[in-house]
Amino acid sequence: QVQLQESGPGLVKPSETLSLTCTVSGGSISNYYWSWIRQPPGKGLEWIGYIYYSGSTNYNPSLKSRVTISVDTSKNQVSLKLRSVTAADTAVYYCARGAEAGKGGFDYWGQGTLVTVSS
Amino acid sequence: DSVMTQSPDSLAVSLGERATINCKSSQSVFYIPNNKNYLAWYQQKPGQPPKLLIYWASARESGVPDRFSGSGSGTDFTLTISSLQAEDVAVYYCQQYYYTPWTFGQGTKVEIK
Repeated sequence: QVQLQESGPGLVKPSETLSLTCTVSGGSISNYYWSWIRQPPGKGLEWIGYIYYSGSTNYNPSLKSRVTISVDTSKNQVSLKLRSVTAADTAVYYCARGAEAGKGGFDYWGQGTLVTVSS
Repeated sequence: DSVMTQSPDSLAVSLGERATINCKSSQSVFYIPNNKNYLAWYQQKPGQPPKLLIYWASARESGVPDRFSGSGSGTDFTLTISSLQAEDVAVYYCQQYYYTPWTFGQGTKVEIK
């Protein structure tokens, strides 16, 4: 059974960089797209961007100037960096797997990690 | 961006009754070459991540009860819960994966009447 686990600081100061890691277990990172998605408290879902296991990326234009997503296939990990954060970046951050070939959507999700931006 | 608009924002349905959620995309998500609609539905319960229910607008994910069904094409889609169960209380989201940035509807909260 594929499992995703997000990890990283739960509190980040304004103007600093949010850094999260998603560790994938029970399956390989290869041949899949891996996305980061966030959800502000009590609000809806926002797709941040994806990375293919080969390293190609696609980011939401609304965040593109501040986001970097990277992959480490040797560790089965995907990472997110979001620079120059503000209170508006406070959210639960999820990593999710793009569904296998022949299907669509996100078929596996991590439990999510709450990141609060505050001084 | 392709804007996804769900209606209603919330609904209360009696146990065993039908629940219907609508999702409208600002652009068609139908891809003619493969005859597929790039539209998914998710269920999110409090404190949990979203769970994939439906993809390609009408294909049920493995393990999802058959009381959940998806329909529609182009820009207008529907998620139907044919006989609402207590465990179906949740927020439901539609999502298009045709255009990047991939976008979600604002969510529809389903409760028991």
